[in-house]
Amino acid sequence: RKEVEQDPGPFNVPEGATVAFNCTYSNSASQSFFWYRQDCRKEPKLLMSVYSSGNEDGRFTAQLNRASQYISLLIRDSKLSDSATYLCVVNKDYGGSQGNLIFGKGTKLSVKP
Amino acid sequence: GAGVSQTPSNKVTEKGKYVELRCDPISGHTALYWYRQSLGQGPEFLIYFQGTGAADDSGLPNDRFFAVRPEGSVSTLKIQRTERGDSAVYLCASSLNPNNEQFFGPGTRLTVL
Repeated sequence: RKEVEQDPGPFNVPEGATVAFNCTYSNSASQSFFWYRQDCRKEPKLLMSVYSSGNEDGRFTAQLNRASQYISLLIRDSKLSDSATYLCVVNKDYGGSQGNLIFGKGTKLSVKP
Repeated sequence: GAGVSQTPSNKVTEKGKYVELRCDPISGHTALYWYRQSLGQGPEFLIYFQGTGAADDSGLPNDRFFAVRPEGSVSTLKIQRTERGDSAVYLCASSLNPNNEQFFGPGTRLTVL
């Protein structure tokens, strides 16, 4: 089983749609979880951290289910500018520090007018 | 302020040659990471420095790869006897400390002919 697995997509959605990405991870000792965004031929950038209680940042909502080792990202009211690859990321356990990050392959989102 | 910078932005070399890739982290960041990203994949961890020392080099694929950070700031990733399979984008990231967000540089695109 790969350490972090995601559906590669692509997800092609119209503007205004709601889209959800899912991710599973294999290391139950992982303590930190993130979603990164990567535009074409650019570096990854942190979109949001993911907490057990779930967290929201504007149109973006992230959820973590530790029992199922499952992470999700929900994007509401999609914008053209949301088109990018979304990377699910977990840390390698360093007693809570980020340490090195383990990335999924990414899910490609394309928002159409 | 200045972000993470990497030089060169592109490097084309021939099989068997030696290359050096440089990373200038954000000033004051103690942690520095190297990742490698192949087409269609997420970034793959190579090595992580805390200060001058390599805290985790478990991601280096073999002994042709070596990295240094002699003064705890700039880091150089060195690849000996390059192979075509080494072709990828090499990303550097830094964080204030291992508990904090990692900021990525724009990467060096390495092509081995």
